[in-house]
Amino acid sequence: DTGVSQDPRHKITKRGQNVTFRCDPISEHNRLYWYRQTLGQGPEFLTYFQNEAQLEKSRLLSDRFSAERPKGSFSTLEIQRTEQGDSAMYLCASSFSHNEQFFGPGTRLTVL
Amino acid sequence: GENVEQHPSTLSVQEGDSAVIKCTYSDSASNYFPWYKQELGKRPQLIIDIRSNVGEKKDQRIAVTLNKTAKHFSLHITETQPEDSAVYFCAASAMDSSYKLIFGSGTRLLVRP
Repeated sequence: DTGVSQDPRHKITKRGQNVTFRCDPISEHNRLYWYRQTLGQGPEFLTYFQNEAQLEKSRLLSDRFSAERPKGSFSTLEIQRTEQGDSAMYLCASSFSHNEQFFGPGTRLTVL
Repeated sequence: GENVEQHPSTLSVQEGDSAVIKCTYSDSASNYFPWYKQELGKRPQLIIDIRSNVGEKKDQRIAVTLNKTAKHFSLHITETQPEDSAVYFCAASAMDSSYKLIFGSGTRLLVRP
């Protein structure tokens, strides 16, 4: 499969625990995005990487959230001290330059 | 701030009829407008997009129109089929450094056989 992949697909955690998600973009894509989608809403932008540089972060991204793309390939999104309000689908997307963004299948997070 | 409004939130049509979904955007710097289809439990998938130097684009049964003056763009689906049933999202993106997508809240389309 040469599309965007995400792992895990589902994560259930208890409030206060830390979680980490991984995204593997399409190999030649230099841009990588993280979005969050709650039920019945459109995806909301969280952060953006061009190669390994994190160039923009939404104000939705509190200091409990951190993202990395260490070698300009895969990316990780970590949420520390999870809260129930963090429950959502976390979507990763990649693109080459300013072309179409291809989305991954998402990681569904449930915080109990 | 940047905002995209989408209407209607739900749309039910008879198979074979046309469906129209409308969006307005607030950021006058927006210049790229994709439409995504999301089936239940699946990832959003691009169905058509338009850039600001074009007023209309068509791909088989799907067309998108853009009115930059009014900051308005619309998706038109003709000869709807049951497999068109899904949630459709419009989005807008500005030619800044990120090209992040600002999404509308979605339209749930139901095509009745």
